[in-house]
Amino acid sequence: ETGVTQSPTHLIKTRGQQVTLRCSSQSGHNTVSWYQQALGQGPQFIFQYYREEENGRGNFPPRFSGLQFPNYSSELNVNALELDDSALYLCASRGLAATDTQYFGPGTRLTVL
Amino acid sequence: DQQVKQNSPSLSVQEGRISILNCDYTNSMFDYFLWYKKYPAEGPTFLISISSIKDKNEDGRFTVFLNKSAKHLSLHIVPSQPGDSAVYFCAASGGSNTGKLIFGQGTTLQVKP
Repeated sequence: ETGVTQSPTHLIKTRGQQVTLRCSSQSGHNTVSWYQQALGQGPQFIFQYYREEENGRGNFPPRFSGLQFPNYSSELNVNALELDDSALYLCASRGLAATDTQYFGPGTRLTVL
Repeated sequence: DQQVKQNSPSLSVQEGRISILNCDYTNSMFDYFLWYKKYPAEGPTFLISISSIKDKNEDGRFTVFLNKSAKHLSLHIVPSQPGDSAVYFCAASGGSNTGKLIFGQGTTLQVKP
């Protein structure tokens, strides 16, 4: 069984640029969530996708957007990058039930200069 | 507004002794709680969970206790091992936010040989 994978591992961007992060869900999982983890903090929920549609969103501005594909892989897009967007971005996948355990990928470390 | 709080940033215990990690929450709508462990450069790894209809769940060396009246949960690790040294996050979900996890800030556990 393949776990959750994310790419790239690290990324450096400059303020104002756009970035796309990618995630492949664990086999059999149809729901994917994205989290932002700032240094010294716990992960913060960005949004969740199920059947290629967003079905839950945290307190993040619209410049954070996502996609889920028919094979349940997913992308997180961030436009107009700000310095405060520097963080570890985590993808998690789970099965259909809300109480199904979410399994996390290793994350993408984004640095905005 | 921090709905899930881990008030101890760090904890140090001797190998073989008990580690107790604590977590408090404020939202009475939470009905599912989880503990994750995180090593540097890795994503959070699921440890153990508990539903609000239970007050205890045990899995090997790990036991989670839930006190709903106090809105408090704790993770007990017995016996502690040096490999348990990591950052531990508690997380909660429930209400209408199915699948959305709210994380605490984390507690760094160091188990000394």
